[in-house]
Amino acid sequence: RKEVEQDPGPFNVPEGATVAFNCTYSNSASQSFFWYRQDCRKEPKLLMSVYSSGNEDGRFTAQLNRASQYISLLIRDSKLSDSATYLCVVNLYSGNTGKLIFGQGTTLQVKP
Amino acid sequence: GAVVSQHPSWVICKSGTSVKIECRSLDFQATTMFWYRQFPKQSLMLMATSNEGSKATYEQGVEKDKFLINHASLTLSTLTVTSAHPEDSSFYICSARVPLAGELFFGEGSRLTVL
Repeated sequence: RKEVEQDPGPFNVPEGATVAFNCTYSNSASQSFFWYRQDCRKEPKLLMSVYSSGNEDGRFTAQLNRASQYISLLIRDSKLSDSATYLCVVNLYSGNTGKLIFGQGTTLQVKP
Repeated sequence: GAVVSQHPSWVICKSGTSVKIECRSLDFQATTMFWYRQFPKQSLMLMATSNEGSKATYEQGVEKDKFLINHASLTLSTLTVTSAHPEDSSFYICSARVPLAGELFFGEGSRLTVL
């Protein structure tokens, strides 16, 4: 079983749609969680951290369910520029470590 | 602007040659840098943790004699793919964490194609 699992998609949605991505992780000791965005042939960039209480940044909302070991990302009012691959990322350790475990990524295509 | 820079962005080489990729932290000192590899449509996989002034720590299944890592200064880590073969063709990305910050920054990545 993969440590971080995501549906690879692709998710094809029209502009303005709301779309949700899910992610599950296998290690219950995981400490911190993130969503990264990766554009084609580019490096990943942090989209947002995910907190237990849930957090929102503009059109993006992230949720964490530790009991179910489940993370989600909701994008409202999709824009063409949201087209990218969204990576669910888990940090197994606390403190200043970069040993992140990446999911395969979910590809989003927003159509006009 | 970028805080972690990689070079080269693209490299094509013949099978059997060695290729060096550089990763630099800009405007900050990175005692630790991380090297990842990403094959098409797959996850980023951590290859090794590069430690300034000491040996790198390799993940299980990564050959340390094939992927040589040198972290000789606080702003530079290099990854050398020795005797490259077509199956080594991949996207190699380094990362470093800005001290006292939570975010991990990635280099632009280096796409290696071995013919």
